Amino acid sequence: KQEVTQIPAALSVPEGENLVLNCSFTDSAIYNLQWFRQDPGKGLTSLLLIQSSQREQTSGRLNASLDKSSGRSTLYIAASQPGDSATYLCAVKGNTPLVFGKGTRLSVIA
Amino acid sequence: GAVVSQHPSWVICKSGTSVKIECRSLDFQATTMFWYRQFPKQSLMLMATSNEGSKATYEQGVEKDKFLINHASLTLSTLTVTSAHPEDSSFYICSATTGASSYEQYFGPGTRLTVT
Repeated sequence: KQEVTQIPAALSVPEGENLVLNCSFTDSAIYNLQWFRQDPGKGLTSLLLIQSSQREQTSGRLNASLDKSSGRSTLYIAASQPGDSATYLCAVKGNTPLVFGKGTRLSVIA
Repeated sequence: GAVVSQHPSWVICKSGTSVKIECRSLDFQATTMFWYRQFPKQSLMLMATSNEGSKATYEQGVEKDKFLINHASLTLSTLTVTSAHPEDSSFYICSATTGASSYEQYFGPGTRLTVT
């Protein structure tokens, strides 16, 4: 059974810092990995989707990498802003529906 | 991109009543739809998977008689919470996939259910 772990559970950084969120998964037989953002009380916003054949995806200040063989992904956020404060969820798609990690709660302090 | 809507966005109901939540794919045909539940400060947990025209497959621990899922068409799935109790209060999010090779799941905005 696929398990997804995200570290750290919470992170607080000053504005302008670059930061890395980590995601690991136990079963490397995946189709894709997706990073989402969730604001309090809101739904999911898809940030980046990496297919299993890809190594990374970039969108603006966000860069996600995937190392399928080691079961790891990272989300890199450059020049963090207070508006980046949210919970970031990693989810993995294999032969089952998306399996989610518990998320990293990010606070960017102005 | 593919858009999924949910209705209502929030609902308050009394204990013992039933509540129906709709999930629609607006600009694509969804071969498969998924229902997730999220308790406060927890992650999303899959409740069930439904394919159009067939019975839903429920995850272990999810009562199929309590959470009725109907996937009546390629654009609509409904989740009915029957005889709701306060412990059913949660954020319910649906997701849909086209079945394309990208295997991408598209998510609705969620429905906040509060049972009093």
